[in-house]
Amino acid sequence: GENVEQHPSTLSVQEGDSAVIKCTYSDSASNYFPWYKQELGKGPQLIIDIRSNVGEKKDQRIAVTLNKTAKHFSLHITETQPEDSAVYFCAASMRTGFQKLVFGTGTRLLVSP
Amino acid sequence: SAVISQKPSRDICQRGTSLTIQCQVDSQVTMMFWYRQQPGQSLTLIATANQGSEATYESGFVIDKFPISRPNLTFSTLTVSNMSPEDSSIYLCSVEDWTGNYGYTFGSGTRLTVV
Repeated sequence: GENVEQHPSTLSVQEGDSAVIKCTYSDSASNYFPWYKQELGKGPQLIIDIRSNVGEKKDQRIAVTLNKTAKHFSLHITETQPEDSAVYFCAASMRTGFQKLVFGTGTRLLVSP
Repeated sequence: SAVISQKPSRDICQRGTSLTIQCQVDSQVTMMFWYRQQPGQSLTLIATANQGSEATYESGFVIDKFPISRPNLTFSTLTVSNMSPEDSSIYLCSVEDWTGNYGYTFGSGTRLTVV
């Protein structure tokens, strides 16, 4: 089955800096890679996702890149703000038909003013 | 995207008792999922609930411990039975969401503490 590894487990940056979180997956058949942000006491919120036919996707200050050959994908947050502080999870699944989302272990991002 | 209402938001329960968690969606969805998130950990899928059929459980989870109902396309319940302190977790409902951009949407979770 699919296995997703995520690094780092914690990441501390200064406000305005960039943050990068990396994930690797094991199943080459996976083709859908979402990223979730979870704030304290809340459920995970989808912030961006990417399909396997796309190498990069941007949405304002966040971007995701995918390298299918190497089976890894990354989340990039630019111009970080204190409200970006949260736990971020990557996940992988096959989009066609239902295949369960397999989550990474999470990254706690702390943005200091 | 779909809006999910999950109840209760938190509860403290005595060991040996059971708690039923409700998940209500504002649109009809085919696939509903229940996850467990142990303290400081990632999300683990408990089971998939399709309307009109038995839930499909992941390895390590059994129906006797986590019975699930899915009576219609907008509602599901998860019961945590015969609870022990090891069941203290956040339980999350999720749906495969085809409204707007495709994705999996999560409820706000039920924070369960078993004493």
